[in-house]
Amino acid sequence: DVKVTQSSRYLVKRTGEKVFLECVQDMDHENMFWYRQDPGLGLRLIYFSYDVKMKEKGDIPEGYSVSREKKERFSLILESASTNQTSMYLCASQQMLDSPLHFGNGTRLTVT
Amino acid sequence: RKEVEQDPGPFNVPEGATVAFNCTYSNSASQSFFWYRQDCRKEPKLLMSVYSSGNEDGRFTAQLNRASQYISLLIRDSKLSDSATYLCVVNEVNYQLIWGAGTKLIIKP
Repeated sequence: DVKVTQSSRYLVKRTGEKVFLECVQDMDHENMFWYRQDPGLGLRLIYFSYDVKMKEKGDIPEGYSVSREKKERFSLILESASTNQTSMYLCASQQMLDSPLHFGNGTRLTVT
Repeated sequence: RKEVEQDPGPFNVPEGATVAFNCTYSNSASQSFFWYRQDCRKEPKLLMSVYSSGNEDGRFTAQLNRASQYISLLIRDSKLSDSATYLCVVNEVNYQLIWGAGTKLIIKP
């Protein structure tokens, strides 16, 4: 079974803090994704990566950056957290481009 | 922007009933299709891939209608534990994944 692990289940941060969300997958998948999910807005893609050191912007990259230094790890960075970044953050990995995604159990981030 | 649309519900269904959801997509060149289940405050979990010939897994049946550009999910003999939000996702020809907003299902005893 694919395992995607997100480092924190719940996080509370202050406005202006730099926030790191970590995601690790154990199935040697090439592709990894970061989404956020908000009530009424569904899943929105922030960034994705098809290879180590490669990153592509999704639909809502503003205020975020990512890092993929190793194949198994994909980090999401909030450079200066703001209250409108309070959300559920979901990391996913994918074996091939036409395969389904496998999600981590999510990080519920609150920015106060 | 290409769209994937789902009836948001909620669908309130008595236990034991059969319920069906549709998910329409706008890009006729879409390649692969999936149904996910998401429980409240949890991550989406893959329920089924949707194949051109249709596929069944126990009480669940998924079908693809390319001519009318929709996929469907049928749940037979519904259980209380089937209560969740069901998300469809379409993988387009450029491998962009387009997610529906989900259909909420509530099974009542």
